[in-house]
Order: sequence, then C-alpha cells, then structure tokens
Amino acid sequence: EVQLVESGGGLVQPGGSLRLSCTASGFTFSDHYIDWVRQAPGKGLEWVGRSRDKTNSYTTDYAASVRGRFTLSRDDSKNSSYLQMNSLKTEDTAVYYCTRVSSPPGRALDRWGQGSLVTVSS
Amino acid sequence: QSVLTQPPSASGTPGQSITISCSGSSSNIGTNYVYWYQQLPGTAPKLLIYRNNQRPSGVPDRFSGSKSGTSASLAISGLRSEDEADYYCGAWDDSLSAMVFGGGTKLTVL
Repeated sequence: EVQLVESGGGLVQPGGSLRLSCTASGFTFSDHYIDWVRQAPGKGLEWVGRSRDKTNSYTTDYAASVRGRFTLSRDDSKNSSYLQMNSLKTEDTAVYYCTRVSSPPGRALDRWGQGSLVTVSS
Repeated sequence: QSVLTQPPSASGTPGQSITISCSGSSSNIGTNYVYWYQQLPGTAPKLLIYRNNQRPSGVPDRFSGSKSGTSASLAISGLRSEDEADYYCGAWDDSLSAMVFGGGTKLTVL
C-alpha cells in the first residue's frame, strides 16, 4: 500500500525555522517526483514546490511565495523528502501535504499524505 | 487570487447532475493536462481525474472530466450525499514553472 507520512510540524515564532519530513512506503520512491502542497485554515490548496528525481538531476521548483525561504531536498536511500522552511511568516500557517507525483504522461499528484500542521505565531 | 478560476460553490439534489467549471490560460490548461481533486471534510485531498478525463481505479464513473481550449469541467452525475466535498482543479503552468490550482468549489448536496 502506498503511504506518505509527514512529520515535523508544530508551533514556531515568526522569523523562525522548521523542517518537515515526508517518509514514503509502498512504491519505488526514487522513481517519483515529490510535490508539497499547503492549505491555510479554511482556505484552498496552494502548491509549494517540486522535488524531481535523479533522472531529472534532482532539480526543484518553488512557488513565488516561498522561493528563497523554503528548500526541498530528498534522500532516496531513506525514501524521504524534506521541506526546510526558514524566515517563516504568519501567512505560512497551514497544513502541509506531501504528495507523490505520477509518472508521465502528465504529472498528477496521485497520492497524498495526511498532512502536518505548521503554525507560525508569537 | 487563484490562477485557475472556479465557482466558489455548487449545489444539487440527490440524483441530479452538476458541472463545475475551471478556467485558465494558454500557459496552463491550454497547454497541459488538467487534474481534479476531491477533498472530503476533514481529510486530505484525493486525485479524482487525471490527464483531463481519466479516472483512477476506484473512482466511480459518475465522475467525468473534459477540457476544451483554456477551460475544463468536472461533471458529476447521479449526485449522492457522499459527494459533498470541496473540488479543486489543477494544472502545470509553463510560464510560472509551477503547479496552479483553482480556488476550489464547495459542493453541497441538498
């Protein structure tokens, strides 16, 4: 069974840092891109970033709202993706979802984790 | 403000059919596949439609997707109470190099 489990969320002060982890199982992690999507309380979905696979040189893309503050990385040996969040703002408060991206053609977010809540507040 | 435009709400009675629209531009829907996600209350989103009109295994054929030009639609036939959820369209945007979503449509089954 495909599973994605996020961890590392919590309460952090504005300007602080937090690192989210996503541990995957039930599929060949190294073959897939991993996207992160967030959802602020009572709001819609917002894409955060994409971490590509080795075939695509582990390149990354980010939403304009987090570029320069957030960094995606992955460790294929641990079936894990990481989201390092620095210079956090109150507007970064959200549930953060780790998602598996399907193989082409097309890149659907075909499996989602349960989410990890990040609260940025003083 | 979302890059893709969806109506904020939709409603229908059990057994009815409804359609949710999603409008974009040439850099996203006009060029790339459209995806639809369903988010039941209190749960993580789930992929409902991929590659414009394909259903993952386990998704009932009451759900169908279509795309024309820079717009897409999700149709639900034979509405059921368990279809009450938020629905989001999504597509890759080549200009932004980012995945973009619609603002979501809250479906109420009366």
